[in-house]
Amino acid sequence: RKEVEQDPGPFNVPEGATVAFNCTYSNSASQSFFWYRQDCRKEPKLLMSVYSSGNEDGRFTAQLNRASQYISLLIRDSKLSDSATYLCVVDPLELIFGTGTRLQVFP
Amino acid sequence: NAGVMQNPRHLVRRRGQEARLRCSPMKGHSHVYWYRQLPEEGLKFMVYLQKENIIDESGMPKERFSAEFPKEGPSILRIQQVVRGDSAAYFCASSPLGGERQETQYFGPGTRLLVL
Repeated sequence: RKEVEQDPGPFNVPEGATVAFNCTYSNSASQSFFWYRQDCRKEPKLLMSVYSSGNEDGRFTAQLNRASQYISLLIRDSKLSDSATYLCVVDPLELIFGTGTRLQVFP
Repeated sequence: NAGVMQNPRHLVRRRGQEARLRCSPMKGHSHVYWYRQLPEEGLKFMVYLQKENIIDESGMPKERFSAEFPKEGPSILRIQQVVRGDSAAYFCASSPLGGERQETQYFGPGTRLLVL
């Protein structure tokens, strides 16, 4: 089993839609979780950290489910500019990146 | 405050040549990480360095690859005798404090290496 698994997508959604990504991790000792956004041929940029209690930043909501060992990212009211690859990152001792989920928002 | 800088942005080498990739961390950051992104794969950790020290090189291939972060100057990732399989995007990230890799890492724009 991979340490971090994500559905690669692509997720094709219309503008205004709500879309959710999940990411599962295998190491139950993991303590830190992040979502990064990577645009085509660019470096990953931190989107948000994921806290145990869940956290929200504008249209983005991140949640952690320790019992099932997954984190999620919810994007509400999708914009064309949200089209990118979203990388789940888990860090027991070093950053472990998922392969990313590609999101394509269409008009 | 300039972000993490990497150069060159694109590098073309023939098989057997050497590739040198440079990374200048953000000002005030003394920790550097190198990652490799092979086509169609996620980022893979290679090496973690502090100034003049390699802390963790568990992700580095055993041969041909080396990394350094001298007291002065950028961090260098060096690949000797490149092969086609080395073609990838190499990202560098930096963080300000020591010890905890859970710290937020700031990524550079990457160097795209193409081996002909």
